[in-house]
Amino acid sequence: ETGVTQSPTHLIKTRGQQVTLRCSSQSGHNTVSWYQQALGQGPQFIFQYYREEENGRGNFPPRFSGLQFPNYSSELNVNALELDDSALYLCASSPTGRGAEAFFGQGTRLTVV
Amino acid sequence: EDQVTQSPEALRLQEGESSSLNCSYTVSGLRGLFWYRQDPGKGPEFLFTLYSAGEEKEKERLKATLTKKESFLHITAPKPEDSATYLCAVQAGTSYDKVIFGPGTSLSVIP
Repeated sequence: ETGVTQSPTHLIKTRGQQVTLRCSSQSGHNTVSWYQQALGQGPQFIFQYYREEENGRGNFPPRFSGLQFPNYSSELNVNALELDDSALYLCASSPTGRGAEAFFGQGTRLTVV
Repeated sequence: EDQVTQSPEALRLQEGESSSLNCSYTVSGLRGLFWYRQDPGKGPEFLFTLYSAGEEKEKERLKATLTKKESFLHITAPKPEDSATYLCAVQAGTSYDKVIFGPGTSLSVIP
């Protein structure tokens, strides 16, 4: 059991809508990263938050945004959903400086129709 | 451009048949190479971290090795429960903990 929880587990949205995904990080972890994983591919880095500040971003448009709260939980927001946004969205938490030795949640499966 | 590739895409083994998975990378300033296991519908599970060429790590039937351009995940006498997708990821020399994942190798171990 990793201790990282994501909600919801599954979600269906219509093209053009907005969605918010949530992540509770493991106790003691102050860094949260978000990834998008399309079917049959490896996870793609979206962005990372460290102590409530965005700490790095991958090649994703501005309609992908996020927040980290004082308790280190995090949200991923996607505006103007497109069909290609359908994917498994993964949240990973880690202690400071060990970004890749991360603990992943079970993911949120987003389907855009 | 930083890149990670994995081979083969899929591997089918008989129980007890040992083999190796490959991860090749092209990055500037490697800070670490990581192996994860991912079961269908679940998030990746951390297996190993390797930091420098020549380093080796072992866990049960798995052994990971690292050279300057690639890493291998050796699976000795696999069991059906080892069936999963194995992901390789690298952490490059940036100011934040960006991680680049490879596409994964899907391993099936047949009883």
